[in-house]
Amino acid sequence: RKEVEQDPGPFNVPEGATVAFNCTYSNSASQSFFWYRQDCRKEPKLLMSVYSSGNEDGRFTAQLNRASQYISLLIRDSKLSDSATYLCVVNHPGGSYIPTFGRGTSLIVHP
Amino acid sequence: GAGVSQSPSNKVTEKGKDVELRCDPISGHTALYWYRQSLGQGLEFLIYFQGNSAPDKSGLPSDRFSAERTGGSVSTLTIQRTQQEDSAVYLCASSFGIGAGTGTDTQYFGPGTRLTVL
Repeated sequence: RKEVEQDPGPFNVPEGATVAFNCTYSNSASQSFFWYRQDCRKEPKLLMSVYSSGNEDGRFTAQLNRASQYISLLIRDSKLSDSATYLCVVNHPGGSYIPTFGRGTSLIVHP
Repeated sequence: GAGVSQSPSNKVTEKGKDVELRCDPISGHTALYWYRQSLGQGLEFLIYFQGNSAPDKSGLPSDRFSAERTGGSVSTLTIQRTQQEDSAVYLCASSFGIGAGTGTDTQYFGPGTRLTVL
């Protein structure tokens, strides 16, 4: 099993839709969880950090389920500008201190 | 404040030549990471520096790749005798620290160097 797994998609949704992605991780000791957004031919940019059960930032909500070892990202009222690849990142203490990146989930929002 | 910077933004070289890629982390960040990303692929970890500790080189694909970090700040990734398969975007990231669960391990990325080996 890969350390961090994401459905590559693409998720193809109309503007205004609500879409959710999941990311599963294998190390139960993981403590840090992040969602990054990466636009085509650009660097990853931090979207949200998830340190407790979850957090919300405008249209974006991230949740952590430790029992089932996954994090989710919910995007409400999708905009065309939300089209990007969303990367899940997981880190755990006492390890190599190298955060583990998922392969990303592609989102395409169409008019 | 200033983010992570990388130079050059683009580098085209001939097979067999050596190249040097530079990364300037965010001031005060003790951890620095190099990744590479081939077209349509995920991030591939290369090397990691933390403070004065020995770097973790476990991701370097061959002995043609090396990196150093001088004075705990600027880092240079060197690729010797470049091959066509080295063509990729090389990304640098830095974080304040490495404490998982503390917020200090949040990584911030530079814009990358796009390397093309002809």
